[in-house]
This record gives sequence, structure tokens and C-alpha cells, in this order.
Amino acid sequence: KAGVTQTPRYLIKTRGQQVTLSCSPISGHRSVSWYQQTPGQGLQFLFEYFSETQRNKGNFPGRFSGRQFSNSRSEMNVSTLELGDSALYLCASSLQGPRNSPLHFGNGTRLTVT
Amino acid sequence: TQLLEQSPQFLSIQEGENLTVYCNSSSVFSSLQWYRQEPGEGPVLLVTVVTGGEVKKLKRLTFQFGDARKDSSLHITAAQPGDTGLYLCAGGYGQNFVFGPGTRLSVLP
Repeated sequence: KAGVTQTPRYLIKTRGQQVTLSCSPISGHRSVSWYQQTPGQGLQFLFEYFSETQRNKGNFPGRFSGRQFSNSRSEMNVSTLELGDSALYLCASSLQGPRNSPLHFGNGTRLTVT
Repeated sequence: TQLLEQSPQFLSIQEGENLTVYCNSSSVFSSLQWYRQEPGEGPVLLVTVVTGGEVKKLKRLTFQFGDARKDSSLHITAAQPGDTGLYLCAGGYGQNFVFGPGTRLSVLP
């Protein structure tokens, strides 16, 4: 069974640009959740999608958005990048969502904003 | 202020030693999960504890959920270099799913 795949693995962007990150979940998993990991703030929940609908959202500005497609693949978009957006972005898939079933994480996309 | 606090923040021990790391909150959680993250990889789920007072064992790892479901601990017996990593606790809170800041464990051979 293939694991969670995130692309790209590394990304370097300039302030003000936008970026799109991709996540392919484990087959059969309908929930995809996104997290930002930084040395100072640790792992923080961005949002969760289930069957193409955003079900939960963390405390991040509207510049952070996402979507989920009918095949459960998900994308996360960050617009008007700021230096503080530099982080490891992780996605995780699960059968029923973070609260009710185990999370399976990808290896992340490391975003550097210069 | 973190909803989930973890201690210690860093721990460096010799192979063969025992250790305990803690996850604490002032809030009640319906369940808590423990993950281990190695450099360059995403976290991997170790266990989910659901019932207050529950104890779960996974080989040399013993997990306990506090009676009041506000805290949890992870005890490792005879630590090995392969146990090195960032140990994270996590749980659902409101619409959020929160992680503790983690305990970074280094087991030296």
C-alpha cells in the first residue's frame, strides 16, 4: 500500500509570490489534513478536508487555503508569501479524520521564503 | 501558551537507560495520540490512548493516560539508538487538532 506522497519535496520562493503544494493520500482515505511545522511553534493544524469539503480550520490567515479533489488528492495554496511562512508543511491522510482514526503523514514539503 | 505541554524539551541518554516523557494539559481530551518523528520524515503514530487510566504497551514503550484525561506519559525501557527522534503528543480540541511541542530524544550508543 503506497504511503502519503507530498510534492514537491523542497521549494524556494520570494516574498510576495504564491505557492501550491500537493498531497496524495493513501488509497481509500477520505480525510486529508495539513500542518505547518516550525522550530518555534512546532506542529500547527492548518485545515482538514473530508470528501472535498473543508471540515475544520486552524488559526491561520486567509492567505492559507486548500482544496480536495474527487480522488481525495489535496492541494494547499499560500498567497502573498511572507518570510515567516518558511516551514515544513506536512499533510496527513486518515480514514475518518484526525480525531477518530490514525494519521498517516507524508514526508513534507520544505518551503523557504527569501 | 500551548494547549499541550511536553517535558522535558530535550533528553540525551545512554543506550540501556530508562526514561519517561510527559504530556500535560489543563484541558480534558477524549483521546491522545503519540507520534515519533525522525529527521527528514513525517511523524509516525505510535499509539492512541482513549480511556482514563489506560496503560498500553508497545514492546519497550509503555503509554499511560491520566485518570482525568488531562495528561499522558511515555516510558521507554532500555533505550536504544533507534529510539532517537522527536516524540509528539496530540489530540482533538474544539475544531482544532493540536500537537504538543515535542520531546527531542537522543540515545547515544
